[in-house]
This record gives sequence, structure tokens and C-alpha cells, in this order.
Amino acid sequence: GDSVTQKQGQVTLSEDDFLFINCTYSTTTYPTLLWYVQYPGQGPQLLLKVTTANNKGISRGFEATYDKGTTSFHLQKASVQESDSAVYFCALANSGGSNAKLTFGKGTKLSVKS
Amino acid sequence: EAAVTQSPRNKVTVTGGNVTLSCRQTNSHNYMYWYRQDTGHGLRLIHYSYGAGNLQIGDVPDGYKATRTTQEDFFLLLELASPSQTSLYFCASRRQGGDYAEQFFGPGTRLTVL
Repeated sequence: GDSVTQKQGQVTLSEDDFLFINCTYSTTTYPTLLWYVQYPGQGPQLLLKVTTANNKGISRGFEATYDKGTTSFHLQKASVQESDSAVYFCALANSGGSNAKLTFGKGTKLSVKS
Repeated sequence: EAAVTQSPRNKVTVTGGNVTLSCRQTNSHNYMYWYRQDTGHGLRLIHYSYGAGNLQIGDVPDGYKATRTTQEDFFLLLELASPSQTSLYFCASRRQGGDYAEQFFGPGTRLTVL
């Protein structure tokens, strides 16, 4: 079945630092890959979606790139702010085209210090 | 903007107790989901449904029942709650169709089983 590995459990940065969070995935077909962000006390919300058609997504200063060769997709931001402090999840929409299920990574908690 | 609401927002019960968590979406989405979120595990799918009267088993279904009474309403039932079910529970909904991978999440219900 599909699987997603997100190894960085916690990342602590200072404002204006560069952010990089990596995910690797395993699936048998061409996936849709997503990044969700969860702010304290809220449910996860979609940050970015990347498909095999576009390979890259950009939103709110974040950029996600999908690399089929290494089966990885990472999230980056050039200059983080304190307001970016949140938990970030990568997710894979299940193969087969129906996208009925999402497989989530374990999440990366980002703490940005001013 | 998709709207998913959950009730109650917080619930405390005792071991062996009976708990029902409620979810309502007003987006005319076909798919609805129940997840639990635990530190170190990310989001894990309990049950999901693609329409009224339908139920699909997720990845961690043991100890949980679910029922989809209408297109809008999806309930999660814990008939003999155990401390291992202490968690943060999220409901989500999604449009039907292979182009729609995004799931919209509710604000969550924090359940404590003493």
C-alpha cells in the first residue's frame, strides 16, 4: 500500500531562516502530493498540492517540489516568520485515481523564534 | 470556503463509557472521514464514508463504529471507551472525483478517557 515518511519531528528556526522539510513516499501509481498546515487549536488546512502534471506548487511564500526520481517531495520557504509556527504534514492521495484516501506523514512541528 | 463542524469540542468520559462524536459538513461533499491524531503518529484514518448509509473501514478501526445518517452528518461511536482512545479526533470531508484530493477538516474534538 501507499506510505509516507516524514522524519523531521521538530524543527526550530529563527525568523528569516530558510525552511526545508522533506517527505518520501511509496506508491504504485502517479500520486497527488499535498502539504497541510495545522495551527494550534485548529484542524489541518491545505497549504499546497502538487501533481505529476505540475511538479511544483507555491502558496503563501511556501514552495513544494515533487521529484519522481527520488520519490520525494519537500516543502521550503526562503524566510520564515514567527507566524509560520505550526505543524506541517505531508500527505499522499491514494493511487488508483479515486483519491478517496489520504496517507499522512507523522508531522513536523516548526517553532520560529523572533 | 468549506465548512465542517464538530461537537462536542471537548469530552471527558470514564473507561467503559459510551461516547458519540458528531460531525456535520455543509459543502455537499460526498466523502466524510474520521481521524485520530496522536503525537508521534500523525493523522490516522478510523472510518470513512462516501454517502449516506455507506461505511468504509479505515486503518485503525478497532474499538470504533461509525454511521453516516445523511450526506451532512457523520458520527463516530465508542461503545466501551478505553484510555487508549484518549486522543484528538478530526472529521473531514471531500468532493467526489479523481481531481479532488483535498480534504477539509473540522476543528477537532479532544476526548479524554479516564
